[in-house]
Amino acid sequence: RKEVEQDPGPFNVPEGATVAFNCTYSNSASQSFFWYRQDCRKEPKLLMSVYSSGNEDGRFTAQLNRASQYISLLIRDSKLSDSATYLCVVNIREGSGNTPLVFGKGTRLSVIA
Amino acid sequence: GAVVSQHPSWVICKSGTSVKIECRSLDFQATTMFWYRQFPKQSLMLMATSNEGSKATYEQGVEKDKFLINHASLTLSTLTVTSAHPEDSSFYICSARETVPVTDTQYFGPGTRLTVL
Repeated sequence: RKEVEQDPGPFNVPEGATVAFNCTYSNSASQSFFWYRQDCRKEPKLLMSVYSSGNEDGRFTAQLNRASQYISLLIRDSKLSDSATYLCVVNIREGSGNTPLVFGKGTRLSVIA
Repeated sequence: GAVVSQHPSWVICKSGTSVKIECRSLDFQATTMFWYRQFPKQSLMLMATSNEGSKATYEQGVEKDKFLINHASLTLSTLTVTSAHPEDSSFYICSARETVPVTDTQYFGPGTRLTVL
């Protein structure tokens, strides 16, 4: 079983739509959770961290369910510029803390005019 | 946020040559840097963890003699792909984690696109 699983998409949505992405992780020792955004042929960029209480940043809302080992990202009022691949990322912090991030394969979003 | 640079941005080389990629943290110190590789339409795969002043830790299946990592200072790690072959063509990305404060946030370099002919 893969450590971080995401629906690869693509999700094709019209401008203004609300879209949600889901992600599951297999290691219950995972301690930190993130959504990254990656544009074509570019490096990943941190979109937001995900907290147990849920957190919101403008049009983006992230939720974490530790019991189900499930993370979600909701994008409201989609813009053309939101078109990208969204990566679900977890970190299993152990000991010294020098543990790398584990990436999902990403979910591709295309927002259409 | 913190800035990580990579050099070169892209490189095309002949099969059998060696290519060195530099990763620098520009405005912070990074005891630990990570090297990833991404093939088209695939996720980032960790190759190795680079620790300043000590040997790198390689992931299973990554040849340490082929992918040489040197982390000589708190702001610079290098990855050398030795005797590159076409199957080594990929997008190589480094990331760095701040030494102080200790957080889980990693900052990524812009990546290096390697094409081996």
